[in-house]
Amino acid sequence: EAGVAQSPRYKIIEKRQSVAFWCNPISGHATLYWYQQILGQGPKLLIQFQNNGVVDDSQLPKDRFSAERLKGVDSTLKIQPAKLEDSAVYLCASAQGEIEAFFGQGTRLTVV
Amino acid sequence: DQQVKQNSPSLSVQEGRISILNCDYTNSMFDYFLWYKKYPAEGPTFLISISSIKDKNEDGRFTVFLNKSAKHLSLHIVPSQPGDSAVYFCAASGGYYQKVTFGTGTKLQVIP
Repeated sequence: EAGVAQSPRYKIIEKRQSVAFWCNPISGHATLYWYQQILGQGPKLLIQFQNNGVVDDSQLPKDRFSAERLKGVDSTLKIQPAKLEDSAVYLCASAQGEIEAFFGQGTRLTVV
Repeated sequence: DQQVKQNSPSLSVQEGRISILNCDYTNSMFDYFLWYKKYPAEGPTFLISISSIKDKNEDGRFTVFLNKSAKHLSLHIVPSQPGDSAVYFCAASGGYYQKVTFGTGTKLQVIP
């Protein structure tokens, strides 16, 4: 069974630029999560999708972050414009009904 | 407001001995608890979970204990092996969509 795929693995951008991350969840998984993990902290939920609908985006900074999940499968997370404090690992995870989620390897974003 | 707390950032244990990782939570709505393990440059991997209707769950060398009155859970690894060296995240979920909240992690080093 293929795992959760994320790209790119690493990204370096200047502040005020925009960036997008892509996630392909495990086939058949209805729930998709985007987490932000800042160095030394635990993953923080940004947004949770159930199929292609948003069920929780309470911690998503909506003035600069956006996410979509087209056709209930792949998802993209975008930051525009980026700030220095957005430097973090962005983790995508998926689950099939249960709470235990499978995580991708993450995208390490550095904003300079 | 840190609802899930792991107060020990690191722990060193001799190979073959018991590793005990602790976690405290504040939100009484949490009813399901998980432990994830994370190696460098990889996403977290689900390890073991426990429902609030239980006080113990065992899976091989890993046992999770839940003390609801104290809002405390712990992960026991017996015997500890060098391959167990990783960062361990405690996580808790509750509410309608079972939003998962992570702790800050404990880095375990098992010394051969």
